[in-house]
Amino acid sequence: GAGVSQSPSNKVTEKGKDVELRCDPISGHTALYWYRQSLGQGLEFLIYFQGNSAPDKSGLPSDRFSAERTGGSVSTLTIQRTQQEDSAVYLCASSLSLDRVNYGYTFGSGTRLTVV
Amino acid sequence: GQQVMQIPQYQHVQEGEDFTTYCNSSTTLSNIQWYKQRPGGHPVFLIQLVKSGEVKKQKRLTFQFGEAKKNSSLHITATQTTDVGTYFCAGPGNTNAGKSTFGDGTTLTVKP
Repeated sequence: GAGVSQSPSNKVTEKGKDVELRCDPISGHTALYWYRQSLGQGLEFLIYFQGNSAPDKSGLPSDRFSAERTGGSVSTLTIQRTQQEDSAVYLCASSLSLDRVNYGYTFGSGTRLTVV
Repeated sequence: GQQVMQIPQYQHVQEGEDFTTYCNSSTTLSNIQWYKQRPGGHPVFLIQLVKSGEVKKQKRLTFQFGEAKKNSSLHITATQTTDVGTYFCAGPGNTNAGKSTFGDGTTLTVKP
């Protein structure tokens, strides 16, 4: 597609429920990233996929968080047993990455998650 | 891990004044990227610098990469209200160069 597409744009869920956030990256972009941004804060790295390599999961805050990328394209971020502190905007980005250098991220519009 | 530090955290200017944000690293960076995030929006890639001493311009925005490739700056000449937002720099992570490490950003407000 022309840009990075994320769905849903907004999600309100009850504490303890599981949620799935979807990201459809730009076609041809080999790298896909998930970040989290709380209100007025910076970008917190969560997970990074590069081609067929094992993902870099070093930013996942707990084992309640997981992500997968199927067929090197669409990615799903799953949060199990959501907590109120999980409330944030979840941003997905993709980039063209060659020889371990990325050429700039294209971010999606994000999913605003509210846990009540 | 490798970090990039940005200053200032906030900057308030009168419309027409200039604005500069600085990005510093304790280690040499292979490249530096700059992003702008408008209020309520998502970060948008502005530019990537890779060469020592590189200077690039985009209209009223001037980007510089230091000679030692440890610092960078973004300068906006004669700010306009459309410049409001948070400006982030990003450098490559030290263990995985395909991933960028973002600074905490500088939030610019412009008083008309």
